[in-house]
Amino acid sequence: QVQLVQSGAEVKKPGASVKISCKTSGYTFTGYYLHWVRQAPGQGPEWMGRMNPNSGVTNSPQKFQGRVTMTRDTSITTAYMELSWLRSDDTAVYYCAKDVAPAYSSSSLYFDYWGQGTLVTVSS
Amino acid sequence: DIVMTQSPDSLAVSLGERATLNCKSSQSVLFSANNKNYLGWYQQKPGQPPKLVIYWASTRASGVPDRFSGSGSGTDFSLTISSLQAEDVAVYYCQQYYTTPFTFGPGTKVDIK
Repeated sequence: QVQLVQSGAEVKKPGASVKISCKTSGYTFTGYYLHWVRQAPGQGPEWMGRMNPNSGVTNSPQKFQGRVTMTRDTSITTAYMELSWLRSDDTAVYYCAKDVAPAYSSSSLYFDYWGQGTLVTVSS
Repeated sequence: DIVMTQSPDSLAVSLGERATLNCKSSQSVLFSANNKNYLGWYQQKPGQPPKLVIYWASTRASGVPDRFSGSGSGTDFSLTISSLQAEDVAVYYCQQYYTTPFTFGPGTKVDIK
């Protein structure tokens, strides 16, 4: 069965970076887009970007450009998301999510499987 | 960016009664080339990730009970739970995947009256 298992909770100081991993199994890792979504306390989800695990090409909204880095290690079917220059308003649960769209397609669709989430707390 | 709004913020419905949730997008998410609405609904229970309920505005995801149905087109959409069950208590989010940045609504919380 498809599984996305994320790394554990993190506590960081403002200005630091955090790197979250998303270990996938049960499907062809390089075959589908992989997204990162975060959810601040009491808020709706917020899309942070996507990666084509086959090519490594990434897209993220302007809000996160320059601060978010998405990478992968295909040998261990794991994706990573690093967020730098952390601020208190980055405190949120961060999710990875698998797209139903194949990586060879030009557009993403909806998300059929999600990781369990990683709580990142930014506090001085 | 496409802004998603949802109404009401919360609603409480008696067990077995109908719940109707609304979602509106700031621009159309209907792709004319394939006549598909790029709109999904997710259910989120406390401490869990969102779970896909509806995609293409009206197609139930695998394993979702048929008491869940989606409707609407263009900019106005609805999710209906025809007979609310205790396990349906959750926050429901709509999301557009028509264009990046993909955006979610603020959610509607569904409770038992």
